[in-house]
Amino acid sequence: EIVLTQSPATLSLSPGEGATLSCRASQSVSSSLAWYQHKPGQAPRLLIYDASNRATGIPARFSGSGSGTDFTLTISSLESEDFAVYYCQQRSSWPLTFGGGTKVEIK
Amino acid sequence: EVQLLESGGGLVQPGGSLRLSCAASGFTFSGYTMSWVRQAPGKGLEWVAAITGGLITTYYVDSVKGRLTISRDNSKNTLYLQMNSLRADDTAVYYCAKPRAVTTSYFDYWGQGTLVTVSS
Repeated sequence: EIVLTQSPATLSLSPGEGATLSCRASQSVSSSLAWYQHKPGQAPRLLIYDASNRATGIPARFSGSGSGTDFTLTISSLESEDFAVYYCQQRSSWPLTFGGGTKVEIK
Repeated sequence: EVQLLESGGGLVQPGGSLRLSCAASGFTFSGYTMSWVRQAPGKGLEWVAAITGGLITTYYVDSVKGRLTISRDNSKNTLYLQMNSLRADDTAVYYCAKPRAVTTSYFDYWGQGTLVTVSS
């Protein structure tokens, strides 16, 4: 099983600031990694797939990078609606796995 | 419009059984590998199981093998999760999830979730 480790666990930031979230895989997943945003009481929302492709309707302030074992989700300037929990997910091999999540909270 | 509607959650005693359903519409259900993903209270997302569209291959996370069974009825556009020998750590909101393309396992549509509580 591929283990995904996300850091930091919590990011405390103000609106307008940039955010950098990390996801590290226990073995190479090539570019087979996605990022999701999850808010309480809502279904998760796909942001990025194949490491760097924005999903349909996702604003340009969200970007993804990386390959192999190290990946980054960058939010260039936080909007109020961006405060949420973010998860990475690999599809390189079964079982599919998610990281433990990074909570982006308002400072 | 893609819609996924889960049902069947509830309170069940340890060792009990439950069957979840997910009614799908708005896309060619039989063409997609569908998954169940869960979130335990205060925890992160955990992928649980998947089933391919046509050849009916199944995949499971180790912790549910032998207890949870994923299946589908393509004639009814419905996904199922039969849950047996339930344990307290199966308590979670269960989501069915559709991948964004037939050849991938990134999820662009999710149901609203159904809560399963395992408690005596």
